[in-house]
Amino acid sequence: SQTIHQWPATLVQPVGSPLSLECTVEGTSNPNLYWYRQAAGRGLQLLFYSVGIGQISSEVPQNLSASRPQDRQFILSSKKLLLSDSGFYLCAWTPGNSNQPQHFGDGTRLSIL
Amino acid sequence: DAKTTQPPSMDCAEGRAANLPCNHSTISGNEYVYWYRQIHSQGPQYIIHGLKNNETNEMASLIITEDRKSSTLILPHATLRDTAVYYCIVRDLNYGQNFVFGPGTRLSVLP
Repeated sequence: SQTIHQWPATLVQPVGSPLSLECTVEGTSNPNLYWYRQAAGRGLQLLFYSVGIGQISSEVPQNLSASRPQDRQFILSSKKLLLSDSGFYLCAWTPGNSNQPQHFGDGTRLSIL
Repeated sequence: DAKTTQPPSMDCAEGRAANLPCNHSTISGNEYVYWYRQIHSQGPQYIIHGLKNNETNEMASLIITEDRKSSTLILPHATLRDTAVYYCIVRDLNYGQNFVFGPGTRLSVLP
């Protein structure tokens, strides 16, 4: 069966520090991968999605970037974190080009001090 | 923007059926309806999805109107653990369309 792993679960970082969040999917190949952010008490905002290795689409301009170095690995990064980057970050996947549902990781709660 | 409209909040008595409505009046023929829920501080959990026929699984039932402009998620016997935010999403099978999450409905199951 397919599983999605996201780490770390929580992270506290100072303003201006770099960021790297990692997400991996097991049990499938060529998935579509997604990064979302959820601010406290708000809905999910799609940040990036990828339909293949090295292919990244950005949904909103921001201080963050994403990379997909391997088929089932998706990384969210920042060179210099801002206070506004605080939030709950979620990775998700779907089988490529199908009507199958999207499945989410457990999320990373990021606090910027 | 989300293509769905849901009430911001609902209450339901424990043990009773919870019926969560969703309006998707602009839905097109290729778009599926998906339901998710999110319990505080967890990732969204997939519940059920459908195109035009009613669907049922171990978690819930999905009733889609004949014109497909609205749907209802039914939790047949709500428990306190069903307290969560419920999201209704429409998504096209075609390449490139992503899942767009609106604010959802906050369901409170009351003892």
